[in-house]
Parts: sequence; C-alpha cells; structure tokens
Amino acid sequence: EPEVTQTPSHQVTQMGQEVILRCVPISNHLYFYWYRQILGQKVEFLVSFYNNEISEKSEIFDDQFSVERPDGSNFTLKIRSTKLEDSAMYFCASSEFRGHEQFFGPGTRLTVL
Amino acid sequence: AQKITQTQPGMFVQEKEAVTLDCTYDTSDPSYGLFWYKQPSSGEMIFLIYQGSYDQQNATEGRYSLNFQKARKSANLVISASQLGDSAMYFCAMREGGSQGNLIFGKGTKLSVKP
Repeated sequence: EPEVTQTPSHQVTQMGQEVILRCVPISNHLYFYWYRQILGQKVEFLVSFYNNEISEKSEIFDDQFSVERPDGSNFTLKIRSTKLEDSAMYFCASSEFRGHEQFFGPGTRLTVL
Repeated sequence: AQKITQTQPGMFVQEKEAVTLDCTYDTSDPSYGLFWYKQPSSGEMIFLIYQGSYDQQNATEGRYSLNFQKARKSANLVISASQLGDSAMYFCAMREGGSQGNLIFGKGTKLSVKP
C-alpha cells in the first residue's frame, strides 16, 4: 500500500542553523501539506501546496519557513534559522483531491538545542 | 473560539466494550469535512474515518463509526469492540470548504483500553 515517507526520522540541530525536512508524498497525490505538533499539544497546520505553489499558509509559517518541490517526488520544508520553539514533530501529508482524506507520513522529530 | 473541541482529555474503556469519543465543531461554512485520526505512542497519524457535511448517512469503517449530528455540530467517534491496540490519542479534525484542504485539529483524547 502506498504511503508517505519522511526523512530524517529525528533531526537535532543548533539554534540558528538551517534544516531541511524531506517528504515523499504518495505518487498520484496532488495536494501536499506540512503540519507540526509540539510535544503534548495538538497538530497545527503550517502550509498547503498545490500545482507547484503555496495555496495556503498559517500564521506560524513566517519568513523563516519555505517549501519546495524540487523534483517530481520530493516535497521539502526548510527552516532557515531555527529557534528553540521550533522543536516539534513535523508531519508531511498528501491527498489525491482537495478536501479528501490526508495521509500522513511518520513525522520528523526536530530538536533545536 | 475553538473550531474543534474535544472535551475528554482521557478516557478508559474495558476491552471488547464500545466507547464514544466526543467532538464538536464550529463553522459557518455549509461545506466542510470531518476527520478522525489515531496517534499511537509511536507518533504516526493514522486516518480512520471521514464524514462530509452533505453526507446523508453516518460514515462507517470497520469498527469505527461516526455519529454525525449536524444540528448539534457534533461528530463523535464510536469504536466498537475495543481492542488493546486501540489505546492511543485520537484527534478530531475539520476541513472548511473555503480552505485549500488544510485540517484544523482538536486537542485530542487519550484512550486507554483496559484488559
């Protein structure tokens, strides 16, 4: 069964460093999303991506964040200068159609020291 | 105001019994979708069930059913015949029609199934 994959599973970085989180969505899906979940809290929407551009973003998704689909399979989230409060689990998700169920990847746990 | 409210931070259920996890939502959009996800201790988010606002019948998927009461704006998840493997966090989420599909999540309910 096709699934969303994410790498790395765990990333530790120093404050101020740049990180890139990688995702491979399900191959026939057209809509891609990033969410984050701070430990013990609810899942929060960051950004949605369709047709090679951002379609919607939340207040959390400020100028230090960017997303890219560099090729036909990868979908990346870049955090330019990490802060302590960026420590969270980051989930990538994809869906075949807008509004349909989103399938989540296993997440990348980001720890900023 | 919270868009998705899950009032039960934790629930216990005896193995093989049924359990209902509550979810209420707030939207003025006539078109929306409601989702339930399961998050085991390993951390992944597993899609369980979906209900569209125009669906006439309550959604069912195996042991999961969604008790959709539109007038009350509630979308409770019913798990029948609980199993030990059902112990997890359960999140209710909503997609509003005007959005690009992004989900708004509740704070979750931690379900513990007792043997």
